[in-house]
Amino acid sequence: GAGVSQSPRYKVAKRGQDVALRCDPISGHVSLFWYQQALGQGPEFLTYFQNEAQLDKSGLPSDRFFAERPEGSVSTLKIQRTQQEDSAVYLCASSPWQLQGNTEAFFGQGTRLTVV
Amino acid sequence: DQQVKQNSPSLSVQEGRISILNCDYTNSMFDYFLWYKKYPAEGPTFLISISSIKDKNEDGRFTVFLNKSAKHLSLHIVPSQPGDSAVYFCASGKDSSYKLIFGSGTRLLVRP
Repeated sequence: GAGVSQSPRYKVAKRGQDVALRCDPISGHVSLFWYQQALGQGPEFLTYFQNEAQLDKSGLPSDRFFAERPEGSVSTLKIQRTQQEDSAVYLCASSPWQLQGNTEAFFGQGTRLTVV
Repeated sequence: DQQVKQNSPSLSVQEGRISILNCDYTNSMFDYFLWYKKYPAEGPTFLISISSIKDKNEDGRFTVFLNKSAKHLSLHIVPSQPGDSAVYFCASGKDSSYKLIFGSGTRLLVRP
């Protein structure tokens, strides 16, 4: 399909385990975002990439969270030593534009992470 | 500190009637506003947006109204259809920025 694809759709991790969440953005999209959505809340910004450059990681909750986009396309969000409070849906979004907040981003279906 | 608030967690409307979803924001620097729609197990999809230079934007059955003095925006759906049943998020940001602040969402149920 031509949309944003995220994998896995669901992930159950034991507390303390490391996880890696993958995002395949729409081909050619310059901007890529990661959001965290807790139960009953709206998405919260985690980090932003323009091509391979991570321009903003101000939303990452702790140094256990790490994101990369080495070739400017696929991105991976890694969470080390997962904690129960990391349980959430992680959304990836991409946009063809650079640094323009007035254009909508296209979201993937998300990865639901449950830490037990 | 919630900068974008959707105070109604849910709304139920009869098919064919108007649905009005509300959103308040606190940051007067916000100059761009969007509504996203989300079905279960899917990502949010863009619905409609409005810039702060306007007070109304219409797209088919969907109209967004912006009241800058009250820092309030609303989404009107007329007529409502059962397929509109979803969670609606408002989001705000600065036109010069990529970062969006989302509200907590309103779950709309349109009854046949």
